[in-house]
Amino acid sequence: QVQLVESGGGVVQPGKSLRVSCEASGFRLSAYAMHWVRQTPGRGLEWVAVISYEGTVKFYADSVKGRFIVSRDNSRNTVHLLMNALRLEDTAIYYCARDTGPLDAFDVWGQGTMVTVSS
Amino acid sequence: AIQMTQSPSSLSASVGDRVIIACRTSHDITHDLSWYQQKPGKAPKLLIYATSSLQSGVSPRFSGSGSGTDFTLTISSLQPEDFAVYYCLQDYSYPWTFGQGTKVEIK
Repeated sequence: QVQLVESGGGVVQPGKSLRVSCEASGFRLSAYAMHWVRQTPGRGLEWVAVISYEGTVKFYADSVKGRFIVSRDNSRNTVHLLMNALRLEDTAIYYCARDTGPLDAFDVWGQGTMVTVSS
Repeated sequence: AIQMTQSPSSLSASVGDRVIIACRTSHDITHDLSWYQQKPGKAPKLLIYATSSLQSGVSPRFSGSGSGTDFTLTISSLQPEDFAVYYCLQDYSYPWTFGQGTKVEIK
């Protein structure tokens, strides 16, 4: 069945780095752009980043630009989000989501992975 | 970035009620808007894409309309399983932006 599973969340100190991953199954990852979305209780849902199906085009939210890097390995059906220089306000549940394509929307979501930035 | 104003932030309604949630954008986004439902502890679920297209498997009591800067999600007859938080999302230009969410509670 079509599924996305995130991993790699945890507790990390401010200023440190963490990489979260998203493994796809049940569909051909290489055919889809993929996004990261995060959620905090106080700030609702926030779009974070997107990577094109072949990995050459990337966009980021202003809040993470210059600190986060999205990448993908289609041969391993995996998308990554490398988070550098983490801040307290990066604490959130991080979801990966599949882009439907021409009529952009998120039709498949992972279950999310919790990232806590704390000293 | 395109700003999203979703209203109301919360509402109380009864089973069988018609519910309308609004989303206004700071710029014309044509029809590039989708709606999501989120229940506690779960990932969001796609309901409507491209303003008014019903996602496969979603109940037809959900409908979307609008264009330009003003959009609505309508639940024609609220069911017990519809109590949740609803979000709009503009996918017209990056950075994509979500509305603040509308919590639909039981009256």
